[in-house]
Amino acid sequence: KAGVTQTPRYLIKTRGQQVTLSCSPISGHRSVSWYQQTPGQGLQFLFEYFSETQRNKGNFPGRFSGRQFSNSRSEMNVSTLELGDSALYLCASSQGRGLTTDTQYFGPGTRLTVL
Amino acid sequence: AQSVAQPEDQVNVAEGNPLTVKCTYSVSGNPYLFWYVQYPNRGLQFLLKYITGDNLVKGSYGFEAEFNKSQTSFHLKKPSALVSDSALYFCAVRDFASGGSYIPTFGRGTSLIVHP
Repeated sequence: KAGVTQTPRYLIKTRGQQVTLSCSPISGHRSVSWYQQTPGQGLQFLFEYFSETQRNKGNFPGRFSGRQFSNSRSEMNVSTLELGDSALYLCASSQGRGLTTDTQYFGPGTRLTVL
Repeated sequence: AQSVAQPEDQVNVAEGNPLTVKCTYSVSGNPYLFWYVQYPNRGLQFLLKYITGDNLVKGSYGFEAEFNKSQTSFHLKKPSALVSDSALYFCAVRDFASGGSYIPTFGRGTSLIVHP
């Protein structure tokens, strides 16, 4: 089975712009979660989607949003980019509703640099 | 609120020697505990998890971890380290009882360096 794929792998944007990141889960997985990884804050949970519905949300401003499509693919959007949004954004998928005991499988991440 | 501590930023070990990467946690209910490994420019790879049952959990690549409820610890171990084990290791906890929310909390990560 193919793993979790994320596109693009690298992205450079300037402050004030917006960006959309894409995640394709493992075939058959219905839950997708997003995480932000930075040297300063470490790994932080952004949100989780299951069956096209946001099930949980982390402590991030409203500039961060996401959605999930009927084929379980997910996108996250960051509007009005700030320098502090520079990070590795990781997507993870799991079979059921992910945030219980299900193992999450991570993609390689999208490295976002905001100039 | 749940929390995870990885007290060592870096662990150095010689190839062939046993390794331990430490993790302690704090939760209000029953913990679900996970270990992940991250190689440079890669996402996280699942190693093992503790949900319930046997306190000694065996995982991928020869790693194992021991759940110790009294010490609230879940240390990752391997009997004989390989140079290829050099990577960043993350411990994570999900608190089953936290009001129906199972958001994971990750430790800051421990860099494992295995010397030839």
